[in-house]
Amino acid sequence: DQQVKQNSPSLSVQEGRISILNCDYTNSMFDYFLWYKKYPAEGPTFLISISSIKDKNEDGRFTVFLNKSAKHLSLHIVPSQPGGSAVYFCAASSSYYGGSQGNLIFGKGTKLSVKP
Amino acid sequence: ETGVTQTPRHLVMGMTNKKSLKCEQHLGHNAMYWYKQSAKKPLELMFVYNFKEQTENNSVPSRFSPECPNSSHLFLHLHTLQPEDSALYLCASSQDGFTRYTEAFFGQGTRLTVV
Repeated sequence: DQQVKQNSPSLSVQEGRISILNCDYTNSMFDYFLWYKKYPAEGPTFLISISSIKDKNEDGRFTVFLNKSAKHLSLHIVPSQPGGSAVYFCAASSSYYGGSQGNLIFGKGTKLSVKP
Repeated sequence: ETGVTQTPRHLVMGMTNKKSLKCEQHLGHNAMYWYKQSAKKPLELMFVYNFKEQTENNSVPSRFSPECPNSSHLFLHLHTLQPEDSALYLCASSQDGFTRYTEAFFGQGTRLTVV
């Protein structure tokens, strides 16, 4: 059973508008959440993260929101740019299991297409 | 320069072949990982090494054999693979497995095709 779920396989937005990517998780032991971006034929690139002690983290055009009670997080990209067309992965990890803080559990990804 | 380099980028091998994937990181990290990405599936964690010691084997078949000679290098030895093992194999590194809130940095992957 998937512990990290991205229920939208794809999303299309207009250039300049906001992109909102969603992610749900089931494991309450997760305490660190990350977003990665992946272009075809390349490895995932780290974008932004949030720890469970926060509910919002912002870095430039990227903002991640965490709702612990709902076990839900979202990535907001404002404004969306054509170069931002890629697959976005949500990932989670837990510091409760000794030595496994770096072990990431990934969602299936959401393919974002930014239209000019 | 991504900091994590994987070779080869593409590999086609027969089911009776033996081959190895190589990963090298230049980030001074002490944890290294192998992930597998199959079509329509999320990235799946395969193996974890912390300070050269294997700390996780995520129920991976024995036809995949990892090796970590030092904190900068990680290998994945492949033998008698099946066509369903065809996938993108990604190596990653992070500071270590004990530091909280640490992100992993990925290589570009090896696209493996088993024929």
